[in-house]
Amino acid sequence: RKEVEQDPGPFNVPEGATVAFNCTYSNSASQSFFWYRQDCRKEPKLLMSVYSSGNEDGRFTAQLNRASQYISLLIRDSKLSDSATYLCAVSRSNDYKLSFGAGTTVTVRA
Amino acid sequence: NAGVTQTPKFRVLKTGQSMTLLCAQDMNHEYMYWYRQDPGMGLRLIHYSVGEGTTAKGEVPDGYNVSRLKKQNFLLGLESAAPSQTSVYFCASRRSNQPQHFGDGTRLSIL
Repeated sequence: RKEVEQDPGPFNVPEGATVAFNCTYSNSASQSFFWYRQDCRKEPKLLMSVYSSGNEDGRFTAQLNRASQYISLLIRDSKLSDSATYLCAVSRSNDYKLSFGAGTTVTVRA
Repeated sequence: NAGVTQTPKFRVLKTGQSMTLLCAQDMNHEYMYWYRQDPGMGLRLIHYSVGEGTTAKGEVPDGYNVSRLKKQNFLLGLESAAPSQTSVYFCASRRSNQPQHFGDGTRLSIL
């Protein structure tokens, strides 16, 4: 079993819709969680960190469910510019490495 | 503030040639990483370093070597390039428990 797994999608949604997707992790000792955005053939860019209590950044909301070992990302009022691949990343405390999921592709259509 | 800088941005090699990819970061990060990304495969860790003078293997280290002689630089070497190493290479750096920052990638084609 992979350490971090994501539904590859694609999620095709109209502008203005809400889209949400999860990322599951296998190691219960995981402590740090992040969402990255990657545009085609570009580098991954940090979208947001995920905190235990959940956090919001504009139209983006991230949640952590430790009991079920997953994090989620919700995008409200989708824009065409939200079309991208979203990668989740997880690490254990004091671990040198981040483990990345393979990404969830979101396509927002006009 | 440049962040993470990779050179070169593009390169075409012939099978058997050697080359070195350079990654430089100006954020005083302890940890540095080299990944490759192929279509449908996600990011795969090649090698990483937890400090100056130290390196370690990731999940796909074969055919690559690395060096970290200075804290700010992490070099990835291909001694004898093979077509299977055609890929996009990303360097990243971070502090402990903090997110990684990526360079903008090197697109390498091996003929």
